[in-house]
Amino acid sequence: AQSVTQLDSQVPVFEEAPVELRCNYSSSVSVYLFWYVQYPNQGLQLLLKYLSGSTLVESINGFEAEFNKSQTSFHLRKPSVHISDTAEYFCAVCYSGGYNKLIFGAGTRLAVHP
Amino acid sequence: DTGVSQDPRHKITKRGQNVTFRCDPISEHNRLYWYRQTLGQGPEFLTYFQNEAQLEKSRLLSDRFSAERPKGSFSTLEIQRTEQGDSAMYLCASSLTGDMGYTFGSGTRLTVV
Repeated sequence: AQSVTQLDSQVPVFEEAPVELRCNYSSSVSVYLFWYVQYPNQGLQLLLKYLSGSTLVESINGFEAEFNKSQTSFHLRKPSVHISDTAEYFCAVCYSGGYNKLIFGAGTRLAVHP
Repeated sequence: DTGVSQDPRHKITKRGQNVTFRCDPISEHNRLYWYRQTLGQGPEFLTYFQNEAQLEKSRLLSDRFSAERPKGSFSTLEIQRTEQGDSAMYLCASSLTGDMGYTFGSGTRLTVV
């Protein structure tokens, strides 16, 4: 069965520290990978996506994620977090051949402390 | 364009009642998706429309659930004879064919008491 595993349900970190949110997916021939962010009482917003090409993708607010096919991973990183990054982060995968149906992980709650 | 709109934002209903939610996608988007998100979990796929055709339904969508997208514009999700287990956030999303990554609405939070 197709699945996404986010290895940490909660990640507490101090402001300006680096962070990595881990994501692994079940193996498939061709996948598209996404990170979504959900701020309190808001909907899901697309943070970044990997479709093809460079395995390192970046967002406009300093996050980056690297597609690693051999390890079936798509970890999200930021070198220095801000209080405003506190949110729930969801990794999602779309397997080719479907209707762009996204399969989400359970989410990682990033809590940035001053 | 104001994005994907969902109505209502919150709904509290008694067990056994019927509820209907509405989703207005981004106007030029031909694909529409419904997801359900329970506390502490990621969104789970419910159903998918391409224009007015419902092309895929999850096994999560029991016989009490029905979704429509008349004329390929807005969509409704109806839950009949609600149960406490139906309490969740119901999310709608839309996209264009060939465009990877959806735009989500803010969701409808359903509480069944």
